[in-house]
Amino acid sequence: KAGVTQTPRYLIKTRGQQVTLSCSPISGHRSVSWYQQTPGQGLQFLFEYFSETQRNKGNFPGRFSGRQFSNSRSEMNVSTLELGDSALYLCASSFRGGSTDTQYFGPGTRLTVL
Amino acid sequence: GENVEQHPSTLSVQEGDSAVIKCTYSDSASNYFPWYKQELGKRPQLIIDIRSNVGEKKDQRIAVTLNKTAKHFSLHITETQPEDSAVYFCVAKGGTYKYIFGTGTRLKVLA
Repeated sequence: KAGVTQTPRYLIKTRGQQVTLSCSPISGHRSVSWYQQTPGQGLQFLFEYFSETQRNKGNFPGRFSGRQFSNSRSEMNVSTLELGDSALYLCASSFRGGSTDTQYFGPGTRLTVL
Repeated sequence: GENVEQHPSTLSVQEGDSAVIKCTYSDSASNYFPWYKQELGKRPQLIIDIRSNVGEKKDQRIAVTLNKTAKHFSLHITETQPEDSAVYFCVAKGGTYKYIFGTGTRLKVLA
């Protein structure tokens, strides 16, 4: 099976702009989670989607949003970008997101905000 | 709130020695504990996991132990090799649909 894929891999934006990142899960996986990784804060959970519904959300401002499509692909959007949004954004998929399901990560999108 | 503490933040060992990374979680409902290895510039990769009905699991040079009473779990790497150098993350997953990551341990294996 193909692994989790993310596009684009690199992105440079300026403050105030918005950005959309895409994640395609492993075939058959219906749960997609998003994480922000920064050197200072480690891996921070953003949100998780299952069957087009957001089931859980981390402690991020409303500028961060996401959605999931019927084919389980997911997008996340960040509006009004700030310098502090520069990070590696990782998505991960699992079969159902159940309590013992294993998550598999994509390669990430590195976002730089200037 | 849910929290996972991970120690140490950095660890240097001589090639061939053992390395131990320890984590403590707060959510008593946590029942799945995977460990991820992240090499520089790469995605986190699952290296081993343990479920709450098991106290210990071993896979070649890697082992994980779990003490549910104390809410502790640990990763043990024996006979370390230079390719073991990476950042290691412990994770606790419970009743909610999110993984709670530890802050990571940067392991350096010195040749």
